[in-house]
Amino acid sequence: ETGVTQSPTHLIKTRGQQVTLRCSSQSGHNTVSWYQQALGQGPQFIFQYYREEENGRGNFPPRFSGLQFPNYSSELNVNALELDDSALYLCASSFPGGDTEAFFGQGTRLTVV
Amino acid sequence: LAKTTQPISMDSYEGQEVNITCSHNNIATNDYITWYQQFPSQGPRFIIQGYKTKVTNEVASLFIPADRKSSTLSLPRVSLSDTAVYYCLVGRSLMDSSYKLIFGSGTRLLVRP
Repeated sequence: ETGVTQSPTHLIKTRGQQVTLRCSSQSGHNTVSWYQQALGQGPQFIFQYYREEENGRGNFPPRFSGLQFPNYSSELNVNALELDDSALYLCASSFPGGDTEAFFGQGTRLTVV
Repeated sequence: LAKTTQPISMDSYEGQEVNITCSHNNIATNDYITWYQQFPSQGPRFIIQGYKTKVTNEVASLFIPADRKSSTLSLPRVSLSDTAVYYCLVGRSLMDSSYKLIFGSGTRLLVRP
């Protein structure tokens, strides 16, 4: 157990819909990152939040957005879902800095039909 | 960010030592080397991190030569439960403390009885 919890664990949505995924970070961690992992691939960085502000973004379109709350929990929102958005979405919490360990949640499996 | 190259897959038997080598020729001075383990449908789990020479913890050792252009993850006496994907990551802290993990495709380790 990492102390990072994600909800829901599984989700099925229709193309064009919107989805919100949630993440509760490990106690004391003020940095949350989101990753998308397609089947058979490594996780791809979507963005990171630090102290409630976006603090780095990967190569994902603006329809991927997020929030971080004062308690450091976070949401990932995806608008106008596409079939290719089907993936495992992972949340990781950490302290900022390259020498710290990131703790991942178990992920949310999103299927877009 | 430095690109990493590691074998796509490896096979081993229970009780053997497994060494997975990762190449990172363009590693920067302030980059750390980190290894993660991932089981199917779970988030990656931190194994070990190092900057130079050798690091050992309760589950693995990490060997880093003086030029830091490669690193080797060593798993002593593997068991069936070590069957997983292993990712080598190289990354740095940016000036604004944004740090993102860049995953490659990883090495799929299969441990046979």
